[in-house]
Amino acid sequence: DTGVSQNPRHKITKRGQNVTFRCDPISEHNRLYWYRQTLGQGPEFLTYFQNEAQLEKSRLLSDRFSAERPKGSFSTLEIQRTEQGDSAMYLCASMVEEGSYEQYFGPGTRLTVT
Amino acid sequence: AQSVTQPDIHITVSEGASLELRCNYSYGATPYLFWYVQSPGQGLQLLLKYFSGDTLVQGIKGFEAEFKRSQSSFNLRKPSVHWSDAAEYFCAVGAVLTGDDMRFGAGTRLTVKP
Repeated sequence: DTGVSQNPRHKITKRGQNVTFRCDPISEHNRLYWYRQTLGQGPEFLTYFQNEAQLEKSRLLSDRFSAERPKGSFSTLEIQRTEQGDSAMYLCASMVEEGSYEQYFGPGTRLTVT
Repeated sequence: AQSVTQPDIHITVSEGASLELRCNYSYGATPYLFWYVQSPGQGLQLLLKYFSGDTLVQGIKGFEAEFKRSQSSFNLRKPSVHWSDAAEYFCAVGAVLTGDDMRFGAGTRLTVKP
């Protein structure tokens, strides 16, 4: 299967701990997006990369959040000093910059902060 | 600012009945419009998209949607619902190539009665 993969699928952590999620996009997709989805809501944009460059960050992305895509392939999203309000599903999507403009989504990482 | 409204939080239809899910958007320019479906434990899957041209768009799984500029709507339809269509449906609007422009509605949960 060559779809978008995310690891881990579930993460339970205690408030104040740091967590890191990984996203492996479809190979040769140069755009990679991170979204957050809370219960009863649609995905909210967090940030996106074109190759290794982080081009835009949402106001939702506080300074406790950082994302990287060091070689333009996989990406990591780190949350430092987690808070209960960070509990959500974190979604990754990838897209070819030119073409169908279809974002392919991964299954998500569900974060629970206790 | 762009926004998407899905007025129906939850809809129940009988298997074999027709379906219409409503989506209204607010966008300052010509929008790109999308419908995604999300099944439990699965990533979002694109059903169809509208960029320009014919305002009636055909998608996968027998779905179609009609863009009505005068009503700022992009409603999703299916003539005969199958039990496997039970899922969460999200309408989205945006410019695609600028990540922060993508806005998702809160979703409509579809239940299919046997």
